[in-house]
Amino acid sequence: QSVVTQPPSASGTPGQRVTISCSGSNSNVGSNFVYWYQQVPGAAPKLLIYRNDRRPSGVSDRFSGSKSGTSASLVISGLRAEDEADYYCATWDDGLRGVFGTGTKVTVL
Amino acid sequence: HVQLQESSPGLVKPSQTLSLTCNVSGASINNGVYYWTWIRQPAGKGLEWIGRIYTTGSTNFNPSLKSRVTISLDASQNQFSLTLTSVTAADTAIYYCARLTEWLHVDSWGRGTLVTVSS
Repeated sequence: QSVVTQPPSASGTPGQRVTISCSGSNSNVGSNFVYWYQQVPGAAPKLLIYRNDRRPSGVSDRFSGSKSGTSASLVISGLRAEDEADYYCATWDDGLRGVFGTGTKVTVL
Repeated sequence: HVQLQESSPGLVKPSQTLSLTCNVSGASINNGVYYWTWIRQPAGKGLEWIGRIYTTGSTNFNPSLKSRVTISLDASQNQFSLTLTSVTAADTAIYYCARLTEWLHVDSWGRGTLVTVSS
């Protein structure tokens, strides 16, 4: 039972914009960096966003992240079929532990 | 290019101890830059952070597992290990070893290994 929550699902048609939220508290999201991972079935997760809003090299600029207070968001712009995957936010908790969000399954309709 | 590879005990009996090793190649585990971590994922469920270890041997663990978990580092073999005692079916999961550049920034993952707890 994660202390950082995400909507279980999100969907959109190709070309649409999809937003995934990540809600925590002052001890985790509110005071630490947020990271976003994409996981396709059968594979290890892949880092999409680090330090709230930075993209690693090689990650499409269709993915963007932001944070405000105890919530963070991942936006997928120009949704593509290949974006269908599970998405997890992740952060640190001041109790000295890592925490993953509950995960969001994105479906491309 | 760093690569991580988990060993594979496969099947562990309930109440016994799960032991996994992560072999690291392409980078020294002892370079004082990175943390090394274990993350698991039960089938069809989300990711769970287990713990991490630094070059110095300093560790942090998920409080929900802390009483049963040990993570150690063997610089001579360039590997790190996970031990989880008194396992139950709830510990059945894919276990990933990974490298952390900071906090929960994983820049390299192992492929993951399925551990099943069953008699």
